[in-house]
Amino acid sequence: DVKVTQSSRYLVKRTGEKVFLECVQDMDHENMFWYRQDPGLGLRLIYFSYDVKMKEKGDIPEGYSVSREKKERFSLILESASTNQTSMYLCASSPGGDPNTEAFFGQGTRLTVV
Amino acid sequence: AQKVTQAQTEISVVEKEDVTLDCVYETRDTTYYLFWYKQPPSGELVFLIRRNSFDEQNEISGRYSWNFQKSTSSFNFTITASQVVDSAVYFCALSENNQGGKLIFGQGTELSVKP
Repeated sequence: DVKVTQSSRYLVKRTGEKVFLECVQDMDHENMFWYRQDPGLGLRLIYFSYDVKMKEKGDIPEGYSVSREKKERFSLILESASTNQTSMYLCASSPGGDPNTEAFFGQGTRLTVV
Repeated sequence: AQKVTQAQTEISVVEKEDVTLDCVYETRDTTYYLFWYKQPPSGELVFLIRRNSFDEQNEISGRYSWNFQKSTSSFNFTITASQVVDSAVYFCALSENNQGGKLIFGQGTELSVKP
């Protein structure tokens, strides 16, 4: 069974902390994505990567950075967590080179910044 | 600009009722892809269907059916004879050419099916 695994289901961090959200996929997918989900806003794209060591900004990259050192792992970094980053974060992956394909999602990390 | 609108924030039905979830999209591209995902309480998004812009055929899969109409930029989803297990948040999403997996989501519709 294909899998996208996020390291934590629930996370509580303090304002100003550096936070790492980890995502690993076992499908050998080229593309990986980080989305943020908020009520009434749906999912919004934070960052994405089409290859190792490559990254591109999505629609709401401010306050975030990413790292992709290996094909299977895509990390989201909150450099200095703030309360407005309290949200559900979803990682996804998809095969490269084919736009007519679905993305596979992880189970989500619900982050609370206090 | 690309945009997906799901005007229904919440829908509540009684089991065995039919229910339609609306999705309207905007894009300037002639080639694009539309998706529906289901998010049960567990949180993981589950893929339901995709359609490309050249294929307007409606699709039926068991109790689920999808109606794609380019003339009205809509991609609506109908559940026939709803069941309690259908309770979830449903998202419609748009992807443009060469952007596999890079999705623009609607706001989501929370469906509650009561016994």
